[in-house]
Amino acid sequence: SQQGEEDPQALSIQEGENATMNCSYKTSINNLQWYRQNSGRGLVHLILIRSNEREKHSGRLRVTLDTSKKSSSLLITASRAADTASYFCATGYTGTASKLTFGTGTRLQVTL
Amino acid sequence: NAGVTQTPKFRVLKTGQSMTLLCAQDMNHEYMYWYRQDPGMGLRLIHYSVGEGTTAKGEVPDGYNVSRLKKQNFLLGLESAAPSQTSVYFCASSTGLAPYEQYFGPGTRLTVT
Repeated sequence: SQQGEEDPQALSIQEGENATMNCSYKTSINNLQWYRQNSGRGLVHLILIRSNEREKHSGRLRVTLDTSKKSSSLLITASRAADTASYFCATGYTGTASKLTFGTGTRLQVTL
Repeated sequence: NAGVTQTPKFRVLKTGQSMTLLCAQDMNHEYMYWYRQDPGMGLRLIHYSVGEGTTAKGEVPDGYNVSRLKKQNFLLGLESAAPSQTSVYFCASSTGLAPYEQYFGPGTRLTVT
């Protein structure tokens, strides 16, 4: 069963606005990764944060991790229409780090 | 570099038929994975392999078999297809080194009637 639950399930914003999506998980993790999936395509790795890190940045992406709350957030700043996609968090658990457990995803729609 | 490729892209099967999905990667990755994606369910791991000649069960292995005879290829077999196996199937690979970032293929859309 999925260990990562994402919130919201769907998000619609206008171009230029920021988009925030959240991921919660249930047990201790080794790392947490975020992936993007464009319609009809495979997943693409965006950013990874390790369990001993609290914040990571990559371009317009900012990821935070709160291990005490077992949650992570992905912030996309200054959204563009090309950011329209589904976003998934994936957790690597201590002891099983070669496998990732994916959440159900957040569908982001960025309109002009 | 083609990355991860999957064959075929689409397939329609009748209940009881068999087929094999092929995944190939040219990144010399040790680990390979097969997932299925159903609406509202995210990705679920079917089987995975941590090296040539090895396979292991994932979360939803029933009704599927896999083989990893060559490092670059990972085959997923359906011996007797059922409508419940209608899904989009994704293959992924990773280096085998932490933190195991995965690279995905474009997917195979399978319909079982």
